[in-house]
Amino acid sequence: KAGVTQTPRYLIKTRGQQVTLSCSPISGHRSVSWYQQTPGQGLQFLFEYFSETQRNKGNFPGRFSGRQFSNSRSEMNVSTLELGDSALYLCASSLAKGEGIGGSPLHFGNGTRLTVT
Amino acid sequence: AQTVTQSQPEMSVQEAETVTLSCTYDTSENNYYLFWYKQPPSRQMILVIRQEAYKQQNATENRFSVNFQKAAKSFSLKISDSQLGDTAMYFCALISLGSPGEGGSEKLVFGKGTKLTVNP
Repeated sequence: KAGVTQTPRYLIKTRGQQVTLSCSPISGHRSVSWYQQTPGQGLQFLFEYFSETQRNKGNFPGRFSGRQFSNSRSEMNVSTLELGDSALYLCASSLAKGEGIGGSPLHFGNGTRLTVT
Repeated sequence: AQTVTQSQPEMSVQEAETVTLSCTYDTSENNYYLFWYKQPPSRQMILVIRQEAYKQQNATENRFSVNFQKAAKSFSLKISDSQLGDTAMYFCALISLGSPGEGGSEKLVFGKGTKLTVNP
């Protein structure tokens, strides 16, 4: 079974631009979560999608948005990029159903390294 | 609010020896799960072990075991017979299961991580 695939692996953008990151979950997984990883803040939860609906959201500004398609693939968009948005963005999928992720382990992709200059 | 604290930013161990990574957490929920994830230099986070809060028995996975002390809210990871491939960042994580419909409580919260180096 193929793992979680994130594209692109690396991205360099300029302040003020916008960016879209893509994530393809493991086949059969309907829950997709996004995390931002930085040396200072560690791993911070962005949002979780299940069956095309955002089920949970972290404490990030509205510049960060996402969506999930009917095939469970997910995209994350960041508009008006700031220097502080430079980070590794990790996507994870799980077999979670019902009300939330619960105890279902997350399966992570290799991440997209975003650099904002 | 849920918090996870890993008090050891860096640790090192000799190959074949045993090392214990510490983790403490806080949650007001009674139903929750705890995890240890490993992130090698390749960046991909990999699940090491999972513990259900209502199970008293400590989880084990081959050379990896946990010491789950629910009253103390402690969840340490023991790695036996350390191998060079164990070199990685290790993250402790917690997810609390809130009441149905609340939605906001089911977020996986990570600690800041412990960088483990296994020396030959």
